[in-house]
Amino acid sequence: NAGVTQTPKFQVLKTGQSMTLQCAQDMNHNSMYWYRQDPGMGLRLIYYSASEGTTDKGEVPNGYNVSRLNKREFSLRLESAAPSQTSVYFCASTGGQGTDTQYFGPGTRLTVL
Amino acid sequence: QKEVEQNSGPLSVPEGAIASLNCTYSDRVSQSFFWYRQYSGKSPELIMSIYSNGDKEDGRFTAQLNKASQYVSLLIRDSQPSDSATYLCAVKTGTGRRALTFGSGTRLQVQP
Repeated sequence: NAGVTQTPKFQVLKTGQSMTLQCAQDMNHNSMYWYRQDPGMGLRLIYYSASEGTTDKGEVPNGYNVSRLNKREFSLRLESAAPSQTSVYFCASTGGQGTDTQYFGPGTRLTVL
Repeated sequence: QKEVEQNSGPLSVPEGAIASLNCTYSDRVSQSFFWYRQYSGKSPELIMSIYSNGDKEDGRFTAQLNKASQYVSLLIRDSQPSDSATYLCAVKTGTGRRALTFGSGTRLQVQP
């Protein structure tokens, strides 16, 4: 039982390049989330998926797109990376009735030059 | 006004002391409250959740919730150097989406 996994762990991009961050969970959770964490700003929600087939914008969605591929996988895409997207990205999931506890993946550290 | 506010610290306490971490939130209909611990370079891990007014204890950790004052706190008894980390307060606001709103975190340093 790996929990929440993310790939890659580290990535360096040039401005304008695109990439997809992958996230998968094996806990049979319905809801999945993408956050970014910047120094001194805590975690900010980018997008979330309440269930398979649905996605919604969070607090800071501009410049990102997401795909909920199936119940296990939720990917985050940067179409044209900008230096302002340099951050640490965390994927999380929540499952089960009556629980809002989120379980986090190990994170992806992204640098955009 | 931020939705969830925490003092950034650092909060420095000697080993064996009680560390008290505080958090205030702005949305009165908030329902669920969480404390996460985050070591440098790592992902957040859940320490405590609390849903009702009062205290909830788990080992050396006690979460306290006061919805009337919109205040939640975390007490760490017998603090250890291994408790040195950033502590994130998270709140689930309202109904509907289940995402959490996080504070910016308080850095705790436990001095040996």
